[in-house]
Amino acid sequence: AQKITQTQPGMFVQEKEAVTLDCTYDTSDQSYGLFWYKQPSSGEMIFLIYQGSYDEQNATEGRYSLNFQKARKSANLVISASQLGDSAMYFCAMRENDYKLSFGAGTTVTVRA
Amino acid sequence: IAGITQAPTSQILAAGRRMTLRCTQDMRHNAMYWYRQDLGLGLRLIHYSNTAGTTGKGEVPDGYSVSRANTDDFPLTLASAVPSQTSVYFCASSGGGGTYNEQFFGPGTRLTVL
Repeated sequence: AQKITQTQPGMFVQEKEAVTLDCTYDTSDQSYGLFWYKQPSSGEMIFLIYQGSYDEQNATEGRYSLNFQKARKSANLVISASQLGDSAMYFCAMRENDYKLSFGAGTTVTVRA
Repeated sequence: IAGITQAPTSQILAAGRRMTLRCTQDMRHNAMYWYRQDLGLGLRLIHYSNTAGTTGKGEVPDGYSVSRANTDDFPLTLASAVPSQTSVYFCASSGGGGTYNEQFFGPGTRLTVL
């Protein structure tokens, strides 16, 4: 079974608007971590934000926030005030108690001027 | 500059040839990983190593082998390359235990098998 599901292959967003990228996950572990990575066209993987399963507050990092709904097993990424440089592929990933990351298929975001 | 280096940057390889992708990190991370990235499939784990001297199989290990003789290096070997191994390969490392440790990625190796 797929551990991470990203249902949006591609999204368009207007500059300065917010965009939400969906991510649902599947695990039976009580302790796990959720990550979002950005991959621009240059190819590198850039870590954006982390949410632990026991964290009560939603994680935030600058313009990135993670909408964590544990009961629904969702960890959506919200990018506020989109910029042209936010155009990239975004991956949701989960780490369970075995060091390994499971990645979703990714969502391509295109920011329009 | 601390980080992960991968070599080569890209490679075109004839089917049936042997190839080793190199990965070196200087962050003294215990854990290292190899992923392949294919369009529409995200990143899939090939092999991993939780600490020097140990390795484990990931989601798609067939056709690949790894070794971890020391903390810094984690080479990935394709014993006899096939066209389905055409992909972008990423090496990553993390500080070790705990679900909170982010993984740091190398720049990737683009491999084409003809």
